Order: sequence, then C-alpha cells, then structure tokens
Amino acid sequence: AAGVIQSPRHLIKEKRETATLKCYPIPRHDTVYWYQQGPGQDPQFLISFYEKMQSDKGSIPDRFSAQQFSDYHSELNMSSLELGDSALYFCASSFWQGKNIQYFGAGTRLSVL
Amino acid sequence: GIQVEQSPPDLILQEGANSTLRCNFSDSVNNLQWFHQNPWGQLINLFYIPSGTKQNGRLSATTVATERYSLLYISSSQTTDSGVYFCLNQFYFGTGTSLTVIP
Repeated sequence: AAGVIQSPRHLIKEKRETATLKCYPIPRHDTVYWYQQGPGQDPQFLISFYEKMQSDKGSIPDRFSAQQFSDYHSELNMSSLELGDSALYFCASSFWQGKNIQYFGAGTRLSVL
Repeated sequence: GIQVEQSPPDLILQEGANSTLRCNFSDSVNNLQWFHQNPWGQLINLFYIPSGTKQNGRLSATTVATERYSLLYISSSQTTDSGVYFCLNQFYFGTGTSLTVIP
C-alpha cells in the first residue's frame, strides 16, 4: 500500500539559509499535518491543512510557512534557519471523513550548521 | 493544548517479560493512537483506539475515555520491541516511554 512520502530524507543547511520540505500524502487523503521532533523530544505539532486550507495551527515559528497544493501535496518552507531548527520533521496524512487516523512519513532530518 | 503524560519515561526489560505503558490526558480523548518509534526514527502505527480494547499479536491497548487514560500492553517482549512508544491525542504527542529489551 502507498505510504506518505517525504523528501528529501536528509538536508544540511547553513544558518540563515532557507529550506523547503515536501510531503506527498497517501492517495485520497485530504488532510496533511506537519510535526517537528527535536533531539530526545516528542514530536510537536506545527500546522495542518484540510482540502488545501489551513485547518489548525500549532507552534509553527513565523519564519516557517506551509501550504497544501491542488494535488494535496504539501510543502513546509523554512527561512532564516537557526541552529535550533535542526530536527526531524514529520508529515502525516489522514482522510477527514473517516476515522482521521494519521499515517506518518519517514521524516526529513534537517541539520543546520 | 492538551497535556499528555506518559509513564514510565524509561523501561528496561529482560526478553520475554511483559510490560504496561500508560498515557494520561488533561482533556478529552480524540482520535487516540499509539506509535512505536524505531531506532531509525520511523513512527510505526500500532493502534487507533479512541475507546475500548484492541489486540494485535503480542500487543494490546485499552482506552478509558471517561477517565482520560490509555494503556499499551506488551507481552513476551523481544529485542525488536526496543524504541520509544508514543501516544497521540489529536495533535498532541505524549512525553514518550523509552523501552530497552535486553537479551
């Protein structure tokens, strides 16, 4: 069965650079979630989209933005990167009309040097 | 947001032992899920269990929504069970239980 696809899997950036993370949800899923997991921490919710509209907002920094496109894939844009942004970024998708069970991608590991 | 506390924070087991992990919520249960995060960082779905009890092989889970807690049971633990176990309530992850199973 198709899973949530995230790219790239690994990313190395310098401070003050920008980064774009991509997420391709499971086919027919209409909701996408983004989470950030720092080293040794639990994942923290950033933002979610339902049918291409922002549905909920968590602890997403103002330097970050995200959107969901017409094909339901989503991108997380991160600007003015800081050392503290180094983390594992997860995307999850779900089908809102169903049980809304979240399925997670393998994550993008971002290292800011 | 909802506070989700997990206990114990760390657990070391001998292979073959049983264990119970607990998740307590500060607010109502909503789309409760349990995950296993393996050493490579992947979050593996274990259960979707907003209420009641489910079993899958050596694992089972129970959620008592009225009392705002959920339990994950691991029986006859194996070394491959090692990792961090998280519960997720809507968008809120628990603090995690780090499990180490030694041969």
